[in-house]
Amino acid sequence: EVQLVESGGDLVQPGGSLRLFCAASGFTFSSYWMSWVRQAPGKGLEWVAHIKEDGSEKYYIDSVKGRFTISRDNAKNSVYLQMHSLRAEDTAVYYCAGWGLRSYWGQGTLVTVSS
Amino acid sequence: DVVMTQSPLSLPVTLGQPASISCRSSQSLVYSDGNTCLDWFQQRPGQSPRRLIYKVFNRDSGVPDRFSGSGSGTDFTLKISRVEAEDVGVYYCMQDIQWPHTFGQGTKLEIK
Repeated sequence: EVQLVESGGDLVQPGGSLRLFCAASGFTFSSYWMSWVRQAPGKGLEWVAHIKEDGSEKYYIDSVKGRFTISRDNAKNSVYLQMHSLRAEDTAVYYCAGWGLRSYWGQGTLVTVSS
Repeated sequence: DVVMTQSPLSLPVTLGQPASISCRSSQSLVYSDGNTCLDWFQQRPGQSPRRLIYKVFNRDSGVPDRFSGSGSGTDFTLKISRVEAEDVGVYYCMQDIQWPHTFGQGTKLEIK
C-alpha cells in the first residue's frame, strides 16, 4: 500500500521556523519527483516546491524563494521542507506529493502562522 | 506564470446526469515531445487531492470510466458521463509544462 505521511505542522509565530517531514512507502521513491503543495483555509491548491528524483534540481514559487528549502533522502524514503521567516500568508495545509508513473498525495499537515 | 482559468466555478448537477468542466490556459501546454501537460484532480470534502486524468485524456488507475478528458493547445474539458453521489467535491485542472506548475481556481460540483 502506498503511503505518504506528513508531519511537523504546528502553530508558529510570524518570523518563526518549521521543518516539515514526509515519509514515503509502497512505491519506488527514488524514481519520483517529490513536491510540497499547500492549500490555505477554504482556498485552492498552490504548488510550493518541487525536487527531482536525485535531488539535483529544485524549484520554488517566488513567494517562498530564499525562505523555504526542499530536500530529500532517498535512503530514508523521505522528503523535507525547511521553512524560515514564516508569514501569516503561509498558513495552510501542506501536502507532500509524488510524481512519476502515478501521482501520490499525503493527508497533509497544518501550518498556522499567527501571533 | 501560466494562468489556468476554469468554468464554471460552481456546478450543481442532478444524479445520473452528465457534467462538464472547462479549463483554459494562458499559453499552449504542448510540450516539445508532443505531449500536452494538463492534468485533472478531484478533491472530495475533507480529503486530499487525487489525480484523475493526466496528459489531457489518460485516466489514472482506479478512476471510473465515466470520467474523461479532452482538449488541445489551450482549451480542455473534463466530462463526467453520469454523476454519482461520490463525485461531489472540487475539481482542479493543472499545468506542468513549466515551473511554477499552476492550478485552476477549482470547480465545486454539488448534487442538486
